[in-house]
Amino acid sequence: QSVLTQPPSASGTPGQRVTISCSGSTSNIGNNYVYWYQQLPGTAPKPLMYKDDQRPSGVPDRFSGSKSGTSAALAISGLQFEDEADYYCAVWDDSLSGGLSAWVFGGGTKLTVL
Amino acid sequence: EVQMVQSGAQVKKPGESLKISCQGSGYIFTNYWIAWVRQMPGKGLEWMGIINPDDSEMRYGPSFQGQVTISVDKSISTAYLQWNSLRASDTAMYYCARGEGTFDWLLLYDYWGQGTLVTVSS
Repeated sequence: QSVLTQPPSASGTPGQRVTISCSGSTSNIGNNYVYWYQQLPGTAPKPLMYKDDQRPSGVPDRFSGSKSGTSAALAISGLQFEDEADYYCAVWDDSLSGGLSAWVFGGGTKLTVL
Repeated sequence: EVQMVQSGAQVKKPGESLKISCQGSGYIFTNYWIAWVRQMPGKGLEWMGIINPDDSEMRYGPSFQGQVTISVDKSISTAYLQWNSLRASDTAMYYCARGEGTFDWLLLYDYWGQGTLVTVSS
């Protein structure tokens, strides 16, 4: 069970706006940047957002990121069928079990485009 | 063109050892971290650990500390993930990813390998 909580599923119709949340704590989201990754079916993950709200080159501006306190969100506007994928948030956690610091991924959200 | 190319699928028995690889090309290998990520069948991503190819500085996730070993051979731009004694629960897809950034806590995993499927079964 991840220290970052995401809804297991989300859905929308083409053209709609969908938001995926990622909830954490002061040791991760509250103190570090949030990153988002998209995993299309049967493929390796690819980066979607970095440092909370920055898009890597090539990522459409339909995708946007935000953060407030210990929660973050990925918004997808103008939903398209090709957006159907699993989405993961990732953050550095300063205080995990055993006193370790490490990267953690959220449990992932499966986005279905109806 | 940046590429991360992983070694092929493996089928092993419990108790056997295994070392899988990830070769980076199209960039200066020692300028970027390499991470390993596990994805068990039908499950999410789990961060296993990371290595700096320049000085071999390593960090492991709590669930993987002492369970696997990450190493690198910078002379051939290749990172490795190794098990001494596999278990059935190690069955998963394993991805390597290049980490772009100055510090290990401030990385964008910008290029990923194609994944190596490891199956452990008696």
